[in-house]
Amino acid sequence: AQSVTQPDIHITVSEGASLELRCNYSYGATPYLFWYVQSPGQGLQLLLKYFSGDTLVQGIKGFEAEFKRSQSSFNLRKPSVHWSDAAEYFCAVVLFSGGYNKLIFGAGTRLAVHP
Amino acid sequence: NAGVTQTPKFRVLKTGQSMTLLCAQDMNHEYMYWYRQDPGMGLRLIHYSVGEGTTAKGEVPDGYNVSRLKKQNFLLGLESAAPSQTSVYFCASRSDSYEQYFGPGTRLTVT
Repeated sequence: AQSVTQPDIHITVSEGASLELRCNYSYGATPYLFWYVQSPGQGLQLLLKYFSGDTLVQGIKGFEAEFKRSQSSFNLRKPSVHWSDAAEYFCAVVLFSGGYNKLIFGAGTRLAVHP
Repeated sequence: NAGVTQTPKFRVLKTGQSMTLLCAQDMNHEYMYWYRQDPGMGLRLIHYSVGEGTTAKGEVPDGYNVSRLKKQNFLLGLESAAPSQTSVYFCASRSDSYEQYFGPGTRLTVT
């Protein structure tokens, strides 16, 4: 079955440090992949997406992600984390099934940023 | 352009009570979704709709019903609330490029 795994439940980094959040997917065809961010008490906001083409995609707020088909991964990165990046991050893949489509989410990674 | 709105923002129910959550979008999207979010479980799809008058079950549909009488509105109903339905509920609508736009959420507590 199609699934998305985010191996890290919690990550803590210092402000200014680099960040990488891991995402692995299980999907037979070329996946449509997303990263969303959720600040406390808020809904989810799209950071970036990958459908095809260049495997390194740029998003909002200085984030980028790299699609690696050989590793079934779509890791999110940021070179220098800001305190305002503290939030929960969700990786998701579009599942196409029976003529419909829906998003399958990972369990999320909660990011804490130390000053 | 309000995007996706949800009402109410908070609600407390007693076991066995019923309620309806309203989602509205002003982006003319065909697809709309209802999710629930529980700690450590990410978002799980309850029901979704591919257009006015059409709905389908997601991963966790039991105990919920939905209706899409108008394209811009997607209603989620709980006929007989249970404590297991305590959660944060998110509505989303989807663009033609598969991006989902989320509402701010409804925090529901069932006692």
